[in-house]
Amino acid sequence: KAGVTQTPRYLIKTRGQQVTLSCSPISGHRSVSWYQQTPGQGLQFLFEYFSETQRNKGNFPGRFSGRQFSNSRSEMNVSTLELGDSALYLCASSPTSSVGNEQFFGPGTRLTVL
Amino acid sequence: EDQVTQSPEALRLQEGESSSLNCSYTVSGLRGLFWYRQDPGKGPEFLFTLYSAGEEKEKERLKATLTKKESFLHITAPKPEDSATYLCAVQRGSQGNLIFGKGTKLSVKP
Repeated sequence: KAGVTQTPRYLIKTRGQQVTLSCSPISGHRSVSWYQQTPGQGLQFLFEYFSETQRNKGNFPGRFSGRQFSNSRSEMNVSTLELGDSALYLCASSPTSSVGNEQFFGPGTRLTVL
Repeated sequence: EDQVTQSPEALRLQEGESSSLNCSYTVSGLRGLFWYRQDPGKGPEFLFTLYSAGEEKEKERLKATLTKKESFLHITAPKPEDSATYLCAVQRGSQGNLIFGKGTKLSVKP
């Protein structure tokens, strides 16, 4: 079974631009969560989608948004990029709800903001 | 406030030298405690889930245990390929988001 895939793997943007990241969960998985990983803050939760609905949201500004499609694929959007948005963005999927269940992570998208 | 603290931040071992990594947590209504391994440039790889105090799980050279305040990841006779950052995370209540510690970077020298 193929794992979680994320595209693109690497991205370079400039301040003020916007970016869209994509995540395809493991086949049959319905829950997709997004995390930001930086050297200083570690892994921080952004949001979770289940059956096209946002179930939970972390403490990030409104510039960070996401959505999930009927095939469970998910996208994350960051508008008006700031230097501090440079990070590894990770997507994780779970078969049903992520509550109490392990989450399987993709390889991440490395975003660099110049 | 929910908090996960891992120690030590870094650990250097000789091949075959067993040791333990610590994850202490403060969370109301623990739903589960998760251990992950992360290699440089890759996403975290799931290792274990522990749900209640007293629970233990093993996989090859790794054994995870859980008490009401902390979890330990015991590494027996480690090999160089066990070198990685080990991450601990908790879930609470009805929320599915993982709250991660900063990780322990393990280096095993031959």
